Amino acid sequence: AQRVTQPEKLLSVFKGAPVELKCNYSYSGSPELFWYVQYSRQRLQLLLRHISRESIKGFTADLNKGETSFHLKKPFAQEEDSAMYYCALSGRRNAGNMLTFGGGTRLMVKP
Amino acid sequence: KAGVTQTPRYLIKTRGQQVTLSCSPISGHRSVSWYQQTPGQGLQFLFEYFSETQRNKGNFPGRFSGRQFSNSRSEMNVSTLELGDSALYLCASSEGLAGSSDTQYFGPGTRLTVL
Repeated sequence: AQRVTQPEKLLSVFKGAPVELKCNYSYSGSPELFWYVQYSRQRLQLLLRHISRESIKGFTADLNKGETSFHLKKPFAQEEDSAMYYCALSGRRNAGNMLTFGGGTRLMVKP
Repeated sequence: KAGVTQTPRYLIKTRGQQVTLSCSPISGHRSVSWYQQTPGQGLQFLFEYFSETQRNKGNFPGRFSGRQFSNSRSEMNVSTLELGDSALYLCASSEGLAGSSDTQYFGPGTRLTVL
């Protein structure tokens, strides 16, 4: 079975502070991991994926297979980063798509 | 390109009724997935359709079903509604490519309330 755990439901930081949103996963195969973000009154959208190894809006995430983690980090939080963040794992059974989501972490960046 | 659209956006039904939700994917996308979002269970995968065939299925009872048409539009149906079916139902479309990470684009959702 595959599982994604986000231990923090809420993370509150001040503007300019570093941010780390934790994500741990359980999966028997080679995982494909994503971070999705949902800003207020907007639809769920992809923020980044581990295969791309890119930085989006200053966020990065490194896949650590030894610790089965995919934490999302940003060195200096901005108020516009306030949103709901979901870590997700793609289980590619039958060559298809199915995302398993974590419970989500609400990030609040205070001025 | 226009994004994923879902209709209706809001729906109120009573227990025992059935409901059909519709999803129009991004033009050119052949894969459509459905998710249920509730405060208690979070986001849960229902099923995925690709080229009119169900390719993956989550752990939901048989009351939840879906289909995909030749133009890739998809519908999901819930029969004999229960109070616990109240949720936001999200549709996501993707190209459906094999052997690579396939970015899923989400619709705004249909909010279903069962009374």
